[in-house]
Amino acid sequence: DGGITQSPKYLFRKEGQNVTLSCEQNLNHDAMYWYRQDPGQGLRLIYYSQIVNDFQKGDIAEGYSVSREKKESFPLTVTSAQKNPTAFYLCASRTGGIAKNIQYFGAGTRLSVL
Amino acid sequence: GENVEQHPSTLSVQEGDSAVIKCTYSDSASNYFPWYKQELGKRPQLIIDIRSNVGEKKDQRIAVTLNKTAKHFSLHITETQPEDSAVYFCAASMHSGGSNYKLTFGKGTLLTVNP
Repeated sequence: DGGITQSPKYLFRKEGQNVTLSCEQNLNHDAMYWYRQDPGQGLRLIYYSQIVNDFQKGDIAEGYSVSREKKESFPLTVTSAQKNPTAFYLCASRTGGIAKNIQYFGAGTRLSVL
Repeated sequence: GENVEQHPSTLSVQEGDSAVIKCTYSDSASNYFPWYKQELGKRPQLIIDIRSNVGEKKDQRIAVTLNKTAKHFSLHITETQPEDSAVYFCAASMHSGGSNYKLTFGKGTLLTVNP
C-alpha cells in the first residue's frame, strides 16, 4: 500500500476558493492519475500524466488543473469553476515494464464544501 | 471512448456461497482487465487482473474469466467470507495513439457477505 501519499485526508473549501490536493509517490513511477469518486459512480478520470512536464485531460477535467514539475509529485487544484467539488479524490501511479498497466492508489482526500 | 458496464450494483450472499460480478466493455482494442477491491473509506486495491491473451486466471478463492468475442469478463469469488465484504470495481484499459494505459472503471458492486 505504501509509496503514494495523499494529503490532506480531509479538506474543506469555501465558495469561490481554489484548493490544492497533494499527491507524492516514491515508487519511481512515470505515470500518475487523478480520479474523482462519487457514490454509485465508480472512479472517473480527471487528469493524467505520463511523464514530467506533460499531462492530459481525462473525462471530467473541467474545473480542475494539475502540474507535473517533478516525477514524484502531481498536485491537483480544484478551482472555483468546479461547482460541485464535494467528492473523494484518489491519486494513482502506474508501473512500467511488463506489468505496465497496474495502477496503485493513494489513500484519498475527502473534499467538502463549507 | 471505452464504456464499462458492471452488474449487479449490489450483491448479498451467505458466508460460504459463491459470488459473481459481471462486466462488459465496448472497445475491442482493450486488452487489460483488472479488478479492484475497496473497503469502506479505504483505497482501491488490485486483487486480480487478466490480459486478453488468456481466458481465465485464478488466485486461491478468486478467479476472473474473459470472453473477448462477447466483450465481457467476470469476477468469481468462492467460499465467501465476511472480510470479502467491500465494493468491487472492474476496469478496462483503452489504448489510443501512444498507448496511454488509461483505465475506464465500472460503477462498482457492493458485496455483502452475511455470517
